[in-house]
Amino acid sequence: DGGITQSPKYLFRKEGQNVTLSCEQNLNHDAMYWYRQDPGQGLRLIYYSQIVNDFQKGDIAEGYSVSREKKESFPLTVTSAQKNPTAFYLCASGQGEQPQHFGDGTRLSIL
Amino acid sequence: AQSVTQPDIHITVSEGASLELRCNYSYGATPYLFWYVQSPGQGLQLLLKYFSGDTLVQGIKGFEAEFKRSQSSFNLRKPSVHWSDAAEYFCAVGLTGGGNKLTFGTGTQLKVEL
Repeated sequence: DGGITQSPKYLFRKEGQNVTLSCEQNLNHDAMYWYRQDPGQGLRLIYYSQIVNDFQKGDIAEGYSVSREKKESFPLTVTSAQKNPTAFYLCASGQGEQPQHFGDGTRLSIL
Repeated sequence: AQSVTQPDIHITVSEGASLELRCNYSYGATPYLFWYVQSPGQGLQLLLKYFSGDTLVQGIKGFEAEFKRSQSSFNLRKPSVHWSDAAEYFCAVGLTGGGNKLTFGTGTQLKVEL
């Protein structure tokens, strides 16, 4: 079945540590997105990529980095510069102006 | 920049009652509009979408939504709510010609009383 796979489901970060969240899609979509979800704030866009080897900052990119070396993969790194990383992270993919498809999310917490 | 407002943070309805979740958007042209649903700890599932044409759109699970240009609204409705509908609901708007980059509302948490 086609879909989006996010891993791990739960992740813990120590102070000063970078962590990477994985997102893989087999829907052959050109565009991929990373969102951060906090209670009462909806989804906020971190980074997005419309094509391989290109990506743009979203509304809250500070403290995060991404890469898009393959069409099917869009990993997100939460760096030590992100002082409040505890949140639920959602990856999505899309094609043209069709609805985005979402993964099941990764919950990141601080140790 | 476009924005989406979901004025109700929490809504509680009895099972079998009707439901309406409000969504208002701010955008100069006709946007693409979506409703998504999220169960706890899960991703978002698309309920329905509006691109153009008939302003009343039908979705999955018995949901429908009506696009009202004059009111800049896209409210979600269901005639009879089931206990399994308890979840968080998000309205989203996309830009015409902007690919599928979306702006989301802050969500409405639906509780269903048995």
